Amino acid sequence: SAVISQKPSRDICQRGTSLTIQCQVDSQVTMMFWYRQQPGQSLTLIATANQGSEATYESGFVIDKFPISRPNLTFSTLTVSNMSPEDSSIYLCSVHLGHWDTQYFGPGTRLTVL
Amino acid sequence: AQKVTQAQTEISVVEKEDVTLDCVYETRDTTYYLFWYKQPPSGELVFLIRRNSFDEQNEISGRYSWNFQKSTSSFNFTITASQVVDSAVYFCALTNTGGFKTIFGAGTRLFVKA
Repeated sequence: SAVISQKPSRDICQRGTSLTIQCQVDSQVTMMFWYRQQPGQSLTLIATANQGSEATYESGFVIDKFPISRPNLTFSTLTVSNMSPEDSSIYLCSVHLGHWDTQYFGPGTRLTVL
Repeated sequence: AQKVTQAQTEISVVEKEDVTLDCVYETRDTTYYLFWYKQPPSGELVFLIRRNSFDEQNEISGRYSWNFQKSTSSFNFTITASQVVDSAVYFCALTNTGGFKTIFGAGTRLFVKA
């Protein structure tokens, strides 16, 4: 299994500011995934982050709003830029470890934008 | 296109009752994986089970059991003798073999009353 940690665990931010969320995995993985879960909703994939290349964004998500870094095989960051109250969500990072058939999730970052 | 449907938004039962959570999926892939996750109020996603498309054997783990039927594209989850600690949101999810992307259903919120 994989142990995934995220920082911060929660934050309250002001409109117009940016927040960077960190995700650390205890083993090397090729792909890391960032999900958003809006209040009372399901999980939606934001982007896939590969080490050494630009992240691949899903429809409705753009790099200017959600820039991602992937400097090595165990770490990634997601920045939520120019935040608005609609960005209030739980943001989760995830990895497939070993075979692609098992996915592990971090504990999530609970973001509230005022 | 892939899709996961959890038609039950909320279910409320009394402790010790059995409850079944429904999941219907759509995919054009012949090889895929299905998952169930539990999300307690803390927000963390807890992996419950994985099933690949070639294995239609039903599985039982303690009070949990899963019924996978390819003929009806369903992967239902039953909790026997429910307990208050089972109260959570349960997500059914589908992963394809190509892009490693996981699609989540909308989730079913289960309330178990004492």
